[in-house]
Amino acid sequence: KQEVTQIPAALSVPEGENLVLNCSFTDSAIYNLQWFRQDPGKGLTSLLLIQSSQREQTSGRLNASLDKSSGRSTLYIAASQPGDSATYLCAVYTGTASKLTFGTGTRLQVTL
Amino acid sequence: DADVTQTPRNRITKTGKRIMLECSQTKGHDRMYWYRQDPGLGLRLIYYSFDVKDINKGEISDGYSVSRQAQAKFSLSLESAIPNQTALYFCATSVDSFGTEAFFGQGTRLTVV
Repeated sequence: KQEVTQIPAALSVPEGENLVLNCSFTDSAIYNLQWFRQDPGKGLTSLLLIQSSQREQTSGRLNASLDKSSGRSTLYIAASQPGDSATYLCAVYTGTASKLTFGTGTRLQVTL
Repeated sequence: DADVTQTPRNRITKTGKRIMLECSQTKGHDRMYWYRQDPGLGLRLIYYSFDVKDINKGEISDGYSVSRQAQAKFSLSLESAIPNQTALYFCATSVDSFGTEAFFGQGTRLTVV
């Protein structure tokens, strides 16, 4: 059974700092890994999708890496801003289960 | 307008009542999913549908049923709501079976009292 772990569970940083969020998964037989952002009371917004054959994806200040063999992904946020405050979720798509398996998220607060 | 729309956004219902949560999408995707989110447990899959004629149970389907009325519509029913079904429910869509990007609705916050 696929299990996804995100560390840390919560993180508070001052504005401008670069930061890394971690995601690990137990079954390396994944099709892809997706990072989402969730704002309080709102849905999930897809940030980055990394296919299993890829090593990283970038979008603006966000960079996600994937090491499938070791079961790890990181989300790097450069020059953090208060507007980045949200919960960040990673999810892996496992073909045999035909579903996304989610981690419990990292709650990020960027302070002024 | 949102690509994946859920109604209602918030609902309070009493124990034992039947309730339906609805999801519609304009993305033209075949695959649709229902998840629930509970604090500390992440999102868990309730049901998923590959097309109108193909519906599958997820990891926590007990107490729930679904209907895929059309490619664009996928509804989730709680036949007899109980308090531990209080959660945030999400509908999602994706293109195909190879794990392409998933798109989520805004969520329905359901409270069973």
